[in-house]
Amino acid sequence: QVQLQESGPGLVKPSETLSLTCTVSGYSISSGFYWGWIRQPPGKGLEWIGNIFHSGRTYHNPSLKSRLTISIDTSKNQFSLKLSSVTAADTAVYFCARDRIAAGEFDPWGQGTLVTVSS
Amino acid sequence: SALTQPASVSGSPGQSITISCTGTSSDVGGYNSVSWYQQHPGKAPKLIIYDVSNRPSGVSNRFSGSKSGNTASLTISGLQAEDEADYYCTSYTSSDTVVFGGGTKLTVL
Repeated sequence: QVQLQESGPGLVKPSETLSLTCTVSGYSISSGFYWGWIRQPPGKGLEWIGNIFHSGRTYHNPSLKSRLTISIDTSKNQFSLKLSSVTAADTAVYFCARDRIAAGEFDPWGQGTLVTVSS
Repeated sequence: SALTQPASVSGSPGQSITISCTGTSSDVGGYNSVSWYQQHPGKAPKLIIYDVSNRPSGVSNRFSGSKSGNTASLTISGLQAEDEADYYCTSYTSSDTVVFGGGTKLTVL
């Protein structure tokens, strides 16, 4: 059974970099599939952040692309998200998930982790 | 930009409801990569429909999906109290990206 778990700081200061890691268990990410990040501001809807393939090819939300880095570490079975120059608008629950074909078919999901941007 | 969904829909137990998801020819209308998610409060979303009309293993056959032109639809038949949740659609786009709908809150009366 594939499981995903997000980890990282729950509080980030404005203008700093948000860093999260998703650890995958029950499946080797080097075997295939795409791996994605999605976020949800408190009380709002879901927003796609980006995907990464096991080869390292990435796909980004154009609105975040200039601040976004998604990477993968197959040796640790993890993939990561870095979002620079954060503001309060980046406060959200961040989810990681597997995407079968990099087309928004996310299954399964991690439980999500709340990241608050505040001084 | 985000796909357009109604902010809310409601129905009584046993009834059927339909949630629409409207995009453009560059996303919903151009590809059969539309998915639907159910999200209960405080929980991660759950995939309930993929590729417009396919159900993952374990998802009730009360959930069905379809598409006509630039609009995809999710129908829930035999509405149950446990179906009360937020529902989101997604689509692949011609820019090689993914876009979500704004979400629809389903209330079971």
